[in-house]
Amino acid sequence: AQSVSQHNHHVILSEAASLELGCNYSYGGTVNLFWYVQYPGQHLQLLLKYFSGDPLVKGIKGFEAEFIKSKFSFNLRKPSVQWSDTAEYFCAVKDDGGSQGNLIFGKGTKLSVKP
Amino acid sequence: ETGVTQSPTHLIKTRGQQVTLRCSSQSGHNTVSWYQQALGQGPQFIFQYYREEENGRGNFPPRFSGLQFPNYSSELNVNALELDDSALYLCASSSPGGDSGANVLTFGAGSRLTVL
Repeated sequence: AQSVSQHNHHVILSEAASLELGCNYSYGGTVNLFWYVQYPGQHLQLLLKYFSGDPLVKGIKGFEAEFIKSKFSFNLRKPSVQWSDTAEYFCAVKDDGGSQGNLIFGKGTKLSVKP
Repeated sequence: ETGVTQSPTHLIKTRGQQVTLRCSSQSGHNTVSWYQQALGQGPQFIFQYYREEENGRGNFPPRFSGLQFPNYSSELNVNALELDDSALYLCASSSPGGDSGANVLTFGAGSRLTVL
């Protein structure tokens, strides 16, 4: 069965530090890849997505992610984090089977940014 | 445009009871998916409804059931509640033609269910 691994449970950074959150998936076929963010007290929001084309995708708020097919990875990056980036980040995968709404989520990485 | 709205936001039930959670999809979206998010876990797919029929299901028992109505709103019903059903239940809507892909989900804030 498809699975998604997020390597870090909790990451603590100071403002202006660089961020990289790891995400690996298990499915070897065609995939759609997503990063969702959940700010404290808010609902899940789409940060960025990869469907096809350029493997380096840019999302909102200065985030980007790189799809590396050979490594089954889709890591999230941001050059300089801000206190307002404190949130929980979820990587999700949709494979080419199953229904359109069936995303497989990782367990999430909680990011705490110290001012 | 309106987002996805869910009700109730919080509820407490006891083991063996039944619960109904409701979801109104985002304007223009005709597909609704339901997810269960246990504490410390990522959301887990329960099922999806399209054209008032279930057209995809995750690894959940039959006591989890749903409905979709002509206005695309949806209900999640859980019978014979168990302690492990305590979780945040998320509804997400999507549209096949929207946002350059069929799989971009818009989530609601969720309904937090506590089973005692």
